[in-house]
Amino acid sequence: AQTVTQSQPEMSVQEAETVTLSCTYDTSENNYYLFWYKQPPSRQMILVIRQEAYKQQNATENRFSVNFQKAAKSFSLKISDSQLGDTAMYFCAFMKQASNYQLIWGAGTKLIIKP
Amino acid sequence: KAGVTQTPRYLIKTRGQQVTLSCSPISGHRSVSWYQQTPGQGLQFLFEYFSETQRNKGNFPGRFSGRQFSNSRSEMNVSTLELGDSALYLCASSLVLAGGGDEQFFGPGTRLTVL
Repeated sequence: AQTVTQSQPEMSVQEAETVTLSCTYDTSENNYYLFWYKQPPSRQMILVIRQEAYKQQNATENRFSVNFQKAAKSFSLKISDSQLGDTAMYFCAFMKQASNYQLIWGAGTKLIIKP
Repeated sequence: KAGVTQTPRYLIKTRGQQVTLSCSPISGHRSVSWYQQTPGQGLQFLFEYFSETQRNKGNFPGRFSGRQFSNSRSEMNVSTLELGDSALYLCASSLVLAGGGDEQFFGPGTRLTVL
């Protein structure tokens, strides 16, 4: 069975700083997808970034980038130039290929951006 | 394009009752997944529907059931409610791209409280 571990329950940084959220996972699968989702206090879950395991290149989306280390089964999220609107719960999630959209979730990291 | 909608947004029931939650996916999306979110257990996959067929089911008792209609709208039902069923129930829809792994778009959730 797959598991996803987020070891940082809560983090806080000053606005404009860079912050890195950690995620490790355990799987014997070779083909899978990894995601970072953001859940602001309003509770609407939003996709931040997505990574296909077969791609060596790390995904980036504007201020958000990942460090995907397949051998180490690590998938960290870096947020550059953090903004107040980045305050939210961040969830790391794993989906194996052909799993019919079954996401396996980490426990989440509460990120607080301080003004 | 309208997002994923869930009704009702809030629900209060008593133990032993049953409840039905509804989810309307984004137009054109054919897959609907359901997740339960609780402070203790985090996010857990309930089931996924595609073309009115349940393709995948998480580790939940048979009291949790669902269905999908021909227009892709989905409902989930929980019978004989228990206090532990109190949770935020999230619905997510996907376009179903070849190869899978595409983004799931989440609704705002239904907050169920069981007294």
